[in-house]
Amino acid sequence: QSVLTQPPSVSAAPGQKVTISCSGSSSNIGKNYVSWYQQLPGAAPKLLIYENNKRPSEIPDRFSGSKSGTSATLGITGLQTGDEADYYCGTWDSSLSTASYVFGTGTKVTVL
Amino acid sequence: QLQLQESGPGLVKPSETLSLTCTVPGGSISSSSYYWGWIRQPPGKGLEWIGSISYRGNTYYNPSLKSRVTISVDTSKNQFSLKLSSVTAADTAVYYCARHPNSSGWYFDPWGQGTLVTVSS
Repeated sequence: QSVLTQPPSVSAAPGQKVTISCSGSSSNIGKNYVSWYQQLPGAAPKLLIYENNKRPSEIPDRFSGSKSGTSATLGITGLQTGDEADYYCGTWDSSLSTASYVFGTGTKVTVL
Repeated sequence: QLQLQESGPGLVKPSETLSLTCTVPGGSISSSSYYWGWIRQPPGKGLEWIGSISYRGNTYYNPSLKSRVTISVDTSKNQFSLKLSSVTAADTAVYYCARHPNSSGWYFDPWGQGTLVTVSS
């Protein structure tokens, strides 16, 4: 059972915007950087966002990240059919006895 | 561009030890700036971090797997390895290796293509 909660699915029409939330706590998102990953069907995950809001150079600016308190958000604008994938957040959880890197529960994005 | 490549048996019997290796062709594993990690994904499920190692052999393990996991590094072969003991069907998953920075903000990039390991008799 993940300590980071994401909505199971979100959907929108091509060209629209979607946001994916990642809810955690003071021991993880509240004190550590968040990263986001895109996993296309049948493929390995790919880094989209690191350190809350930074994009690797090859990632288009349609993808954005933000963090506030114990939650983080991934935004995708100008939605494309190629964006249909599973998306995961991730961060370090600093709980005393169970410190670990944790991933969110994952969100499936559907382009209508 | 740095690439990582997992290799190892695709089928392991229950109670035995799963062994995988990740090689880094075209790049050096001997950098103090990075750690090298293992992540797995059971079929149809989410991602689970297993553990990470530096080129000096410093390790971090997921507490839920720590008692069964050993990660080692061989800088002469530019590779690192995963051993998971006493496997059960619940350990059936795609296993990925990936790199992450040795800093306060971990993020995994790049990832290997993954290798499916099935635990079955």
